[in-house]
Amino acid sequence: AQKITQTQPGMFVQEKEAVTLDCTYDTSDPSYGLFWYKQPSSGEMIFLIYQGSYDQQNATEGRYSLNFQKARKSANLVISASQLGDSAMYFCAMRELIKAAGNKLTFGGGTRVLVKP
Amino acid sequence: DTGVSQNPRHKITKRGQNVTFRCDPISEHNRLYWYRQTLGQGPEFLTYFQNEAQLEKSRLLSDRFSAERPKGSFSTLEIQRTEQGDSAMYLCASSLRFGSSGVSTDTQYFGPGTRLTVL
Repeated sequence: AQKITQTQPGMFVQEKEAVTLDCTYDTSDPSYGLFWYKQPSSGEMIFLIYQGSYDQQNATEGRYSLNFQKARKSANLVISASQLGDSAMYFCAMRELIKAAGNKLTFGGGTRVLVKP
Repeated sequence: DTGVSQNPRHKITKRGQNVTFRCDPISEHNRLYWYRQTLGQGPEFLTYFQNEAQLEKSRLLSDRFSAERPKGSFSTLEIQRTEQGDSAMYLCASSLRFGSSGVSTDTQYFGPGTRLTVL
């Protein structure tokens, strides 16, 4: 079964507008972490933001914020005031801390964002 | 502070040849990971090390694949008898299990990847 689902394969967003990227996850582990990474065309995965399953508040990091809805098992990324440099693939990932052995990240299929001037 | 580096960035080889990739993690990081990413997909976990110990291997890591981290610093990933299905981006990441404050951070920071093409 898919553990991380990103239902939007691609999105266009107008420069300076906000965009929400969807991510739903599936786990029975009570302790887990959720990550978002950006992958520009150069290929490097750039860490954006982290949310722990026990964190009471939604994570924020500059123009990035995470809309964490634990009961719905969703962890949507919001990018505010989009810039042309935000054009990239965005991946949601999960680390299960108790039931899964090791420390691996499980990634979704990604969402391609294209910011229009 | 330098990030994770990987060499080579690109490798083209013929089917049946052996290839080796190198990853240098962020200097104080004690965990190192290898992932494989095929076109249009998210990365898939291959293996990870804590210091020099290889603690987990994915079923994706067939017996043609071997990874080492001999002194707990850099790591190598070798693929023997390459096949066309091995063509992919190979990503390395590193993390710090516990910082000096004793708090676990463990966020994985990725290198630029090695793109392998098997002809």
